[in-house]
Amino acid sequence: DAGITQSPRHKVTETGTPVTLRCHQTENHRYMYWYRQDPGHGLRLIHYSYGVKDTDKGEVSDGYSVSRSKTEDFLLTLESATSSQTSVYFCAISGSNRRHTEAFFGQGTRLTVV
Amino acid sequence: DQQVKQNSPSLSVQEGRISILNCDYTNSMFDYFLWYKKYPAEGPTFLISISSIKDKNEDGRFTVFLNKSAKHLSLHIVPSQPGDSAVYFCAASALGNQFYFGTGTSLTVIP
Repeated sequence: DAGITQSPRHKVTETGTPVTLRCHQTENHRYMYWYRQDPGHGLRLIHYSYGVKDTDKGEVSDGYSVSRSKTEDFLLTLESATSSQTSVYFCAISGSNRRHTEAFFGQGTRLTVV
Repeated sequence: DQQVKQNSPSLSVQEGRISILNCDYTNSMFDYFLWYKKYPAEGPTFLISISSIKDKNEDGRFTVFLNKSAKHLSLHIVPSQPGDSAVYFCAASALGNQFYFGTGTSLTVIP
């Protein structure tokens, strides 16, 4: 297993509350990603990071923000959770030494917004 | 707009037979293609990949074929085993720093 840890693994929160999901890696990979998985939509990229303090938006970034203050940690924040953000969230990492490289995924965080 | 498409949500195959999973893409800048396998309550795991300079890559029971002119790739699993039952995601990248995924195909291998 690639050294990726997501926390928490499960969370139930109320609409309108802020939520932060954490991804921690021990692989020293440059790139980190946050995806959400929803039925009928597959895996969709929310935000990604290409280095400390360097982040960019993905396909479905509205309502989400990210921060990367250390190489090993990538945080995803829902400023004010909505029911449409109920989903399974996956963090992924990839290296940059090769042009073609695969991404490795964490175990996922199941978030329910009630 | 979905840049990577898997048009078959599900597929059932008898054990020992060949499983063929298909994937189409629209972005001609994609130069690397990957297949991932996902079991319930787990993260996707990398299975096999292919560069756009090749048209075939083989790893044991798994072979990926790429048809660049048709913007189509397929994953062949032969022989299929019950443990192959999972959701398979096709993915593509350009320049290696973003990965675009399809919607997945749920494969069931019947013993």
